[in-house]
Amino acid sequence: EVQLVESGGGLVKPGGSLRLSCAASGFTFSSYSMNWVRQAPGKGLEWVSSISSSSSYIYYADSVKGRFTISRDNAKNSLYLQMNSLRAEDTAVYYCARSPTVTDWFDPWGQGTLVTVSS
Amino acid sequence: QSVLTQPPSVSGAPGQRVTISCTGSSSNIGAGYDVHWYQQLPGTAPKLLIYGNSNRPSGVPDRFSGSKSGTSASLAITGLQAEDEADYYCQSYDSSRWVFGGGTKLTVL
Repeated sequence: EVQLVESGGGLVKPGGSLRLSCAASGFTFSSYSMNWVRQAPGKGLEWVSSISSSSSYIYYADSVKGRFTISRDNAKNSLYLQMNSLRAEDTAVYYCARSPTVTDWFDPWGQGTLVTVSS
Repeated sequence: QSVLTQPPSVSGAPGQRVTISCTGSSSNIGAGYDVHWYQQLPGTAPKLLIYGNSNRPSGVPDRFSGSKSGTSASLAITGLQAEDEADYYCQSYDSSRWVFGGGTKLTVL
């Protein structure tokens, strides 16, 4: 069974940092692009970042560029999101999701991990 | 303000047909990029419903269908059921970034 499990969320103060992880299982992780999408409380979906299978292509939303860094470790079947200089508006549930290629659909999605930025 | 525009809400009675529109522009849907649709049931993660404009993943009932024309796309749901009550999102590609619609809440009356 294909499974994505996020971890690393929590409460952090404005200006702080957090590193999210996404553990993949049930498929050949190194063959797929991966993505992070977030959803603020009561709001819609917002794409955050994407990384190609070999990390050759990396993209960020303007709202996080320069503050967030996406990475992956194909040997560990893991995806990461390093989040620095966090702001209140970064408060959201963060989902990781798989794509056949960097321009394809997202499927499946993990269950999400909540990040709360508050003093 | 989302790059892709969806109606905030739609509703229909059980058994009826509803459609949800997704309007983009010449830099995303109109540029030829595919549209994908997701269903998000309350308190759960989004689930892929339609990919590549009109394709259904395995396990998605054929009551759900998608189409695309010009700078817009549509999701149609026929034979509405109570379990279809959820938020629906469209997605496309635009200038090295992914864009989502603002979401449409479907209420089954």
